[in-house]
Amino acid sequence: EIVLTQSPGTLSLSPGERATLSCRASQSVSSNYVAWYQKKPGQAPRLLIHGASSRATGIPDRFSCSGSGTDYTLTISRLEAEDFAVYYCLQYGSSLYTFGQGTKLEIK
Amino acid sequence: QVQLQESGPGLVKPSQTLSLTCTVSGDSITRGSYSWSWIRLPAGKGLEWIGRAYTTGSTTFNPSLKTRVTISLDTSKNQFSLTLNSVTAADTAVYYCARDRLLLDVWGRGTTVTVSS
Repeated sequence: EIVLTQSPGTLSLSPGERATLSCRASQSVSSNYVAWYQKKPGQAPRLLIHGASSRATGIPDRFSCSGSGTDYTLTISRLEAEDFAVYYCLQYGSSLYTFGQGTKLEIK
Repeated sequence: QVQLQESGPGLVKPSQTLSLTCTVSGDSITRGSYSWSWIRLPAGKGLEWIGRAYTTGSTTFNPSLKTRVTISLDTSKNQFSLTLNSVTAADTAVYYCARDRLLLDVWGRGTTVTVSS
């Protein structure tokens, strides 16, 4: 089973700032099959990024992702009020999917 | 537009069986190359993938839940279901169903299940 470790656990930033979230895998993720989700209270997780770097339909270009192998980074270039939420990475390169434990992005 | 909707009891007693159904609209659960997954979110914790059922009927489960979980498809109703046996308070969570097209791209809104006597 691939274990995903996200850091930091909590990130406190202000609107307009840049956010950098990390997801590290215990072993290389096949085909860079890493996705990122945004989770707000009472809502279903929203797919942001898949294939490590491809934005899902309707996701603004301030969201981007880079990385390969075991290290992946989600960047939000200029934070807007609606971006404050919990973010999860998912690896789907193995038939046994695993999520990171989440990074809470909160308003400073 | 594809939509998924979870349904089932919101309260289950310890040691009993949790049963949930996911109704799919806007897509067919028999579409080839898809599978259908369940995920849960315990309060104060992170997302946990429970398992999936393929259109062939075969299944894959999270090893930590494998001995207690069943996922099945009801093609006549375009639904799939989750059964979790011998539940404890640790199974209290919001349960989500999702379409699995190699990744989890469409999710239901989730249903809260509390395990308590």
